[in-house]
Amino acid sequence: QSALTQPASVSGSPGQSITISCTGTSSDVGSYNLVAWYQQYPDKAPKLIIYEVTKRPSGVSNRFSGSKSGNTASLTISGLQAEDEADYYCCSYAGSSTVVFGGGTKLTVL
Amino acid sequence: QVQLQESGPGLVKPSETLSLTCIVSGDSISQYYWSWIRHPPGKGLEWIGHISYSGRTNYNPSLKSRVTISGDTSKKQFSLRLSSVTAADTAVYYCARTYCSGGSCHLDAFDIWGQGTMVTVSS
Repeated sequence: QSALTQPASVSGSPGQSITISCTGTSSDVGSYNLVAWYQQYPDKAPKLIIYEVTKRPSGVSNRFSGSKSGNTASLTISGLQAEDEADYYCCSYAGSSTVVFGGGTKLTVL
Repeated sequence: QVQLQESGPGLVKPSETLSLTCIVSGDSISQYYWSWIRHPPGKGLEWIGHISYSGRTNYNPSLKSRVTISGDTSKKQFSLRLSSVTAADTAVYYCARTYCSGGSCHLDAFDIWGQGTMVTVSS
């Protein structure tokens, strides 16, 4: 069970859209529609923003959206805002009731 | 409102056993799955394992030989024990709840988290 692969960093200007990728294998991302995304601010606990690839928990902005193609899942943030500057982690079900996270992506809003 | 609170020593000596407890308030632990997740400094999140509402446990294969997760429904708490620790186990440790709805649990979705507790492994 290896960690999912995410870019170390991405950046964008306010109002733009950015996409963060999360690449796994046919044993995790590719086999299940159970991919979640988490937003984490420094010294804070992660917050669930997307689950089951595309679903948003109540209260999460519709500027956040998720998708998946093959072994790669993606998080898109549209209408980028300064408050979106944070670390983002993907997470996938990996079979046998286990879960694997990605290495995290630091989003900088320019 | 459901809240989780981790507690335990902030410093553990190498080769000893790390023990943490998560107290659940505002809900019963006889539903849902309850996980331990850690965040080593400068690295990504790592799922350690979980205990289900029925008491079944599952662990990260890379940690399985050293991890035990147990639950006490009467005290509304669940615990983590990680044996033979090394400096590589230094991390912020979180407890978290798996989101369940309509009788189905979404194992990718941790909807409630504790604030986290820093554990340092050092002599």
